[in-house]
Amino acid sequence: NAGVTQTPKFRVLKTGQSMTLLCAQDMNHEYMYWYRQDPGMGLRLIHYSVGEGTTAKGEVPDGYNVSRLKKQNFLLGLESAAPSQTSVYFCATRTSGGVNTGELFFGEGSRLTVL
Amino acid sequence: GQSLEQPSEVTAVEGAIVQINCTYQTSGFYGLSWYQQHDGGAPTFLSYNALDGLEETGRFSSFLSRSDSYGYLLLQELQMKDSASYFCAVKPSNYQLIWGAGTKLIIKP
Repeated sequence: NAGVTQTPKFRVLKTGQSMTLLCAQDMNHEYMYWYRQDPGMGLRLIHYSVGEGTTAKGEVPDGYNVSRLKKQNFLLGLESAAPSQTSVYFCATRTSGGVNTGELFFGEGSRLTVL
Repeated sequence: GQSLEQPSEVTAVEGAIVQINCTYQTSGFYGLSWYQQHDGGAPTFLSYNALDGLEETGRFSSFLSRSDSYGYLLLQELQMKDSASYFCAVKPSNYQLIWGAGTKLIIKP
């Protein structure tokens, strides 16, 4: 039981390159999230999905795209990477079970550097 | 706008008790969560308060006052392994969490 798995764990890109981060979960959770975390800051929501085939924008969506073609996978794409996108990216999942659910399950993170 | 305020750093002694406060201002409120994050690691869930009062889980307790838009995390019998950053996060809707900037807890022997 792997939980939430992110690939790749580390990546170095040049400005203008594109890449895709993959988040895979085996927890059968409906909700999936992509966050970025910068030094000394909390997590900021990029995009999220409340079910297969649905996506929505979070706080900082510009420069990113996402897709949720299968329930277990949530992809985060950078079409033209910029140095400002250097960050640690976390995928998280949550059950949809009611309004009293506060627990997110996180992947290990993907450390992206854009030169 | 929506915001959460928590101290940037707290220092305590091993074996002592420490309280990390969180005040929030959000457009909606379903509950307040606390997460722990060790350096280089991912956040891990500690607690969730949807109603006023104190929730206790082992050495950790979390408190919420919705009327004061305030909560805290209480850590007792501090151990060196508790050295980490602690984040409060508010659930303003059923789908999202808004995160504080985190409190770095430094524990001295």
